[in-house]
Amino acid sequence: DTAVSQTPKYLVTQMGNDKSIKCEQNLGHDTMYWYKQDSKKFLKIMFSYNNKELIINETVPNRFSPKSPDKAHLNLHINSLELGDSAVYFCASSPEGLAVETQYFGPGTRLLVL
Amino acid sequence: GENVEQHPSTLSVQEGDSAVIKCTYSDSASNYFPWYKQELGKRPQLIIDIRSNVGEKKDQRIAVTLNKTAKHFSLHITETQPEDSAVYFCAASKKAAGNKLTFGGGTRVLVKP
Repeated sequence: DTAVSQTPKYLVTQMGNDKSIKCEQNLGHDTMYWYKQDSKKFLKIMFSYNNKELIINETVPNRFSPKSPDKAHLNLHINSLELGDSAVYFCASSPEGLAVETQYFGPGTRLLVL
Repeated sequence: GENVEQHPSTLSVQEGDSAVIKCTYSDSASNYFPWYKQELGKRPQLIIDIRSNVGEKKDQRIAVTLNKTAKHFSLHITETQPEDSAVYFCAASKKAAGNKLTFGGGTRVLVKP
């Protein structure tokens, strides 16, 4: 009963490559998110999906493309990786409600671009 | 958009003492304020949250206070223990912003035995 899981846990790759990170939640939540945590530990929203529909798209380079095949999965594909993309990427999910609901985070994917 | 500032950035306390972390937010429409604890190499985990319709909430050694007028909220940890050592993040959110969490910069808390 992992709740929110991500694969891979670690990702080391060369500049210019394309890579994907996968996220799955078994909580029955309707909304999923991607956050980026940089080297200074600052956490920032990137995207959110509600029932497979894109809700939030922050000012993220279009090299980043989220995809939600169903409401339990939210993947992140990154094209032409750059050094500055090195960070920890966290997936999160929350139930749908009339008010803001608690977000539960996955374990993170540590991406290192060389 | 929302901006959340968090202070201090680091906090060192003696075991048994109290720790207080303060956050201010800019968007008066924000109405949900969670606090997350992140241990080294781990995911952020919710420790307590407060909504704008209450001024204070307590859960054992942890309490959060909210001053809507001044747009600031604080985390209080009493009787600190070494396992309280971690990075703590405050955040603000509102439904109209798609529930996105805007985080403060984090506070690294070290509890010295």
